[in-house]
Amino acid sequence: EVLLVESGGGLAQPGGSLRLSCVASGFSFSDHYMDWVRQAPGKGLEWVGRSRNKFHSYTTEYAASVRGRFTVSRDDSKNSLYLQMNTLKTEDTAVYYCARGAMCTRSSCPDPFDIWGQGTMVTVSS
Amino acid sequence: DIQMTQSPSTLSASVGDRVTITCRASQSISNWLAWYQQKPGKAPNLLIYKASTLESGVPSRFSGSGSGTEFTLTINSLQSYDSATYYCQQYDSYPLTFGGGTKVAI
Repeated sequence: EVLLVESGGGLAQPGGSLRLSCVASGFSFSDHYMDWVRQAPGKGLEWVGRSRNKFHSYTTEYAASVRGRFTVSRDDSKNSLYLQMNTLKTEDTAVYYCARGAMCTRSSCPDPFDIWGQGTMVTVSS
Repeated sequence: DIQMTQSPSTLSASVGDRVTITCRASQSISNWLAWYQQKPGKAPNLLIYKASTLESGVPSRFSGSGSGTEFTLTINSLQSYDSATYYCQQYDSYPLTFGGGTKVAI
């Protein structure tokens, strides 16, 4: 079974840090782009960031709202994706989803998110 | 950034109805558009990609069309369990962006 399981959510203070993890199983994790998407309470979906695969040198992309504060990384040996969140703001409060993107070994691989984790809640509040 | 605008934001329909949701992109995205269904408390679920390709396992009552800047999701013969919020998403360019969602009540 293809599965993504997030962990690491919780309560953090404004200006604080939190690290989320996502463990993958049932597919070749190292071949895929992997993303983080968040959803504030009662709001829509917002893409946060991406880690490309080894073929694309693990390069990353970020939404403007988190660039410079959040870092997406991965450890293919552990089938794991991470989101390091620093300088947290109250507006970062959301459910954070890990999502699977393209299995990409060419120059460009536009692809949707075909597998999602169950999400982990992050609350930023004093 | 490419803005994705969905309409309507909410709709109410009956079992057996045909419903159509529209998604407009602020610039051409070719056919790099996906549709997702999300039920309360659950993660989104991919329905359609490349504007009109049905994801494996998704009922054929769902269909998508469009290219460039105008796209539609159609649900034929609406069922009670289709009650959900539906999102479009462009994956043509960064930042990847979603529409605001359409809540379908039955």
